[in-house]
Amino acid sequence: EIVLTQSPDTLSLSPGERATLSCRASQSVSINYLAWYQQKPGQAPRLLIYGASSRATGIPDRFSGSGSGTDFTLTISRLEPEDFAVYYCQQYGSSPRTFGQGTKVEIK
Amino acid sequence: QVQLVESGGDLVKPGGSLRLSCEVSGFTFSDYYMSWIRQAPGKGLEWVSYISSSGRTIYADSVKGRFTISRDNGRNSLSLQMNSLRAEDTAVYFCARDRGFTYFDYWGQGTLVTVSS
Repeated sequence: EIVLTQSPDTLSLSPGERATLSCRASQSVSINYLAWYQQKPGQAPRLLIYGASSRATGIPDRFSGSGSGTDFTLTISRLEPEDFAVYYCQQYGSSPRTFGQGTKVEIK
Repeated sequence: QVQLVESGGDLVKPGGSLRLSCEVSGFTFSDYYMSWIRQAPGKGLEWVSYISSSGRTIYADSVKGRFTISRDNGRNSLSLQMNSLRAEDTAVYFCARDRGFTYFDYWGQGTLVTVSS
C-alpha cells in the first residue's frame, strides 16, 4: 500500500498569500496518478486536480498541481477567503487507493 | 446538475448491521463506476468499496467479508450493506462517482454511521 504523507499539517496564511502544499508518496506513483481535493467543515470533498496537474471542471486557475514520482505539490497562487479549508491528496496508481492525512490551510 | 444523496446512517450496536443508500441524478448512472469512501470523526479519508458499471466489486481489506456494495441501475441507486459492524467503522460514509477506479469527481454530503453500545 502506498502511504501518502502531507506537509505541513497546518499552514497559517493571510488572504492574498501563496500556499504551497506537499504530498510525498512512500513509493513512486504510476503515471502521476495523483489527485487533490478540498474539504470544508461539514461538506463533502471537492475534486480540484487529477493526473497531478489537470484542473477539474470549474476549478479556478489559481489552483495548480505539479510533481512526479514520489513528490507532488498543490499551489494556490493567491488565497481567497473561500480557500481556507483542508486539502487531501490521493493516489490511484496502485490498489488500494489511498489518501494523505490532510493539510489544513487556516487564516493567519 | 450532478447530485448524490446518501441515507441510512444511524446508531448501531457492535455486531449489528446497517444498509446505506445513495440516490443519484444528473448523469447516466449505469455508465459510471461508483465508490463508497468514509471519514472517521476528525480523521482523514479512507476508500471502502468500488463497483464497476457492470457490477464488478472491490473492497478495502478492513471491510472485506463484512460489507457488500451493490447497484440498481434502473433506480439510479447505490447501496452498501454493512454487517458485523465494529466501533472502528464509525464514520461519515460518502458515495462518490468513480472515474474508472481512479479519482472521485462528484461526492454526496455523507451519512453518519455510529457503532457503539
